Amino acid sequence: DVKVTQSSRYLVKRTGEKVFLECVQDMDHENMFWYRQDPGLGLRLIYFSYDVKMKEKGDIPEGYSVSREKKERFSLILESASTNQTSMYLCASSLGTGSNEQFFGPGTRLTVL
Amino acid sequence: GQNIDQPTEMTATEGAIVQINCTYQTSGFNGLFWYQQHAGEAPTFLSYNVLDGLEEKGRFSSFLSRSKGYSYLLLKELQMKDSASYLCAVNLNAGNMLTFGGGTRLMVKP
Repeated sequence: DVKVTQSSRYLVKRTGEKVFLECVQDMDHENMFWYRQDPGLGLRLIYFSYDVKMKEKGDIPEGYSVSREKKERFSLILESASTNQTSMYLCASSLGTGSNEQFFGPGTRLTVL
Repeated sequence: GQNIDQPTEMTATEGAIVQINCTYQTSGFNGLFWYQQHAGEAPTFLSYNVLDGLEEKGRFSSFLSRSKGYSYLLLKELQMKDSASYLCAVNLNAGNMLTFGGGTRLMVKP
């Protein structure tokens, strides 16, 4: 079974702090994604990566950056957290061929005070 | 822009059948996914349609009409554990990105 893990289930940070969210997948998937999920807005893509050191902006990249130094790990960085970044953050990965089914991690609920 | 619409909420009775609709208007199309998401949990894959027609998998079936930009998820013999959100997502091209609808929250009542 594909396993996608995220470093924290719950996180509380203060405005202006730098925040790192880590995601690791164990199935040698090419593609990795970061989404945020908010009530009424569904899942919105922040960034994705289709290879090590490669990244592409999604629909809402402002205020975020990403890092993919190793194939299995994809990090989301909030350079200076703000209250409007309070959300559920979901990481996903996909093989990169075939149906492109995405497998999701358990999510990190981030609260910025 | 991309537009994927699904009802926000639905209610159904245990043992019944429910159909959750999804319509899409997107710049490309390379398949449509349905995911199930229980509260506080990660979305999990239910079905994938790339050709027109019905795909059946146990109690769940998914239908696609590409010409109409329309899909539905059919849940039969509803159980209480089917109470969850159901997410429709379109793969826009042969690449990697999925665009999600807002999700439909299904409540199953006894």
